Amino acid sequence: GQQVMQIPQYQHVQEGEDFTTYCNSSTTLSNIQWYKQRPGGHPVFLIQLVKSGEVKKQKRLTFQFGEAKKNSSLHITATQTTDVGTYFCSTGNQFYFGTGTSLTVIP
Amino acid sequence: GAVVSQHPSWVICKSGTSVKIECRSLDFQATTMFWYRQFPKQSLMLMATSNEGSKATYEQGVEKDKFLINHASLTLSTLTVTSAHPEDSSFYICSAGPGQGWTEAFFGQGTRLTVV
Repeated sequence: GQQVMQIPQYQHVQEGEDFTTYCNSSTTLSNIQWYKQRPGGHPVFLIQLVKSGEVKKQKRLTFQFGEAKKNSSLHITATQTTDVGTYFCSTGNQFYFGTGTSLTVIP
Repeated sequence: GAVVSQHPSWVICKSGTSVKIECRSLDFQATTMFWYRQFPKQSLMLMATSNEGSKATYEQGVEKDKFLINHASLTLSTLTVTSAHPEDSSFYICSAGPGQGWTEAFFGQGTRLTVV
């Protein structure tokens, strides 16, 4: 399957700090999707990026798609305890998932 | 969003027996469904793509005779783990999509399989 790596694998932040996870593909992607999985739960769709260089925002979350469409990032501003979970990027066409970044927010 | 129901949510079975997991799209027709397995603290590994009315496409390294997938209707796909062994213990999760106006995949609640 397609290789999609995410870094970091784990991130512990103090509540209120920012958080960023990066997704890197070995091939050019037609689109990329981001999902969040809470502990014990199933992945829930966050957003899809399609265009080169695209930037989308959802409240405190900012998503970027690289110019070469091989990488993407998710940035959370001023994390809250409700942000806890694992964030995955996914190649939209065949839904291969990245390795994921597990976020822990310390109150 | 669309709703995907997966059953059972957890199952314990004896080594050597078979287990069937169902994945249903409740309010839409899913021509394509995906089956994943997830080990603790790891990512979702795509096992196979299930297409209604045709054979599933398995990912490299996934034994099609061990993980039988049937997608006989537009609302139901099943995964049967045959002759289960302890190493098959995992979290299995299905998803459906995209289609009918949306681009993302909707996930079932997952099935925790424990083989003893």
